[in-house]
Parts: sequence; structure tokens; C-alpha cells
Amino acid sequence: EAQVTQNPRYLITVTGKKLTVTCSQNMNHEYMSWYRQDPGLGLRQIYYSMNVEVTDKGDVPEGYKVSRKEKRNFPLILESPSPNQTSLYFCASSLSPMGPTDTQYFGPGTRLTVL
Amino acid sequence: GEDVEQSLFLSVREGDSSVINCTYTDSSSTYLYWYKQEPGAGLQLLTYIFSNMDMKQDQRLTVLLNKKDKHLSLRIADTQTGDSAIYFCAEKDFSNDMRFGAGTRLTVKP
Repeated sequence: EAQVTQNPRYLITVTGKKLTVTCSQNMNHEYMSWYRQDPGLGLRQIYYSMNVEVTDKGDVPEGYKVSRKEKRNFPLILESPSPNQTSLYFCASSLSPMGPTDTQYFGPGTRLTVL
Repeated sequence: GEDVEQSLFLSVREGDSSVINCTYTDSSSTYLYWYKQEPGAGLQLLTYIFSNMDMKQDQRLTVLLNKKDKHLSLRIADTQTGDSAIYFCAEKDFSNDMRFGAGTRLTVKP
């Protein structure tokens, strides 16, 4: 089954404790992206990756890191989480970002709470 | 920066039509999208429209685009309780950056 998986689905942590949210897709997609969803703000892009070893900042990259060592995986790293990073995070992938029918497939989301 | 705006809530009765509206500011938008998010799930693409089109119909869904006013709408005919979800408007610009609205929570009452 074609899918994007994220782990963990829920995480409660404390300020400053490094964490990683994993994202994996099994569709051989080149393009992967991380978004955060906050009430009243919709989805905002954090980082994206056009292919292996190619990553770029989105609209809200501060406080986050990513890596793309393999095509299928695109982990999101919070080196020193802060309470303002409490949010719902979505990973997405698509074959490429170029055309309208290159549908972005979204993962189920990771709800992160930073105390 | 460029913006995409939607009203946050819409409530309709089962069987009625729902109209969800969206406005955007980017005049270089190439494609405009509607996504549906059900509780606890990610976003699913419902439909999209190319910026030089006025209308697109797909079964119960009708998308209308007024490019002059930068206004996009999604009409759902014969709305069912299973249509209750959050609907996101999104636009893609010429550099392939996508921007999402805040989402409209559609509640369908029996």
C-alpha cells in the first residue's frame, strides 16, 4: 500500500530535549516536505527536499533541521525544542513538485507537545 | 508575503449545498487546490484547477475561480455527514511554492 508513515504519532517532551520525528515513504518519491499545522494558521512549510542530499528551507525553518540521506526517509530534528514548537506536524511526499497532478501524499501527523 | 485566507467555520444541513470560499493575493498563482482533512488524518487532495480556468466540476464538487478578484470557491452538492471535515485551500506559484489557507471546518448536521 502506498503510504507516508510518521513516528511517533504523539509525543510529549520538555524544553531542550533533542527529538527526531521520522518520516518514510514507499512510493519512490523524489520530493518530500515537512509542515506544521497550527489553529488559525493552516499549514506552513518547514523544510523540503527535492531529492537525496538536497534540502531547502520553507517558510518557518527556525529551530528545525532535516536530512535526506536516503530517498525514502526525511527525518525532522528539533535540537532544542521550545514550547512554541508545540504543534501538529505533517510529512508529505510527491513524485515531483512541478505539476498539479503530482499529488502530495500526507502522513497521518505527529502531535508534539513541548512543556 | 503572499496570503491565502478562508473563513474558519461553516455549518450546513445534510442534503444542502456547501460553499467554501477562499481568497489569495499571489497574482502569479499557477494552480489552486482544495484538500480535505478528516479527523486524525493527513490531507487528501480533492481537486485542483489551473489558473486560466473558470470552473471545474467533478461529481458533487464544483470549483469556481475568479482570477480577477483572486477568489476561489468549492461547492459541495447534496452535502452528507461524511463530508464533515476541514477543507484547505492552497495555491502554487510559478516557483512551485505552495501556500495553504487556515482551513474551513465544515460541520454537516443531520
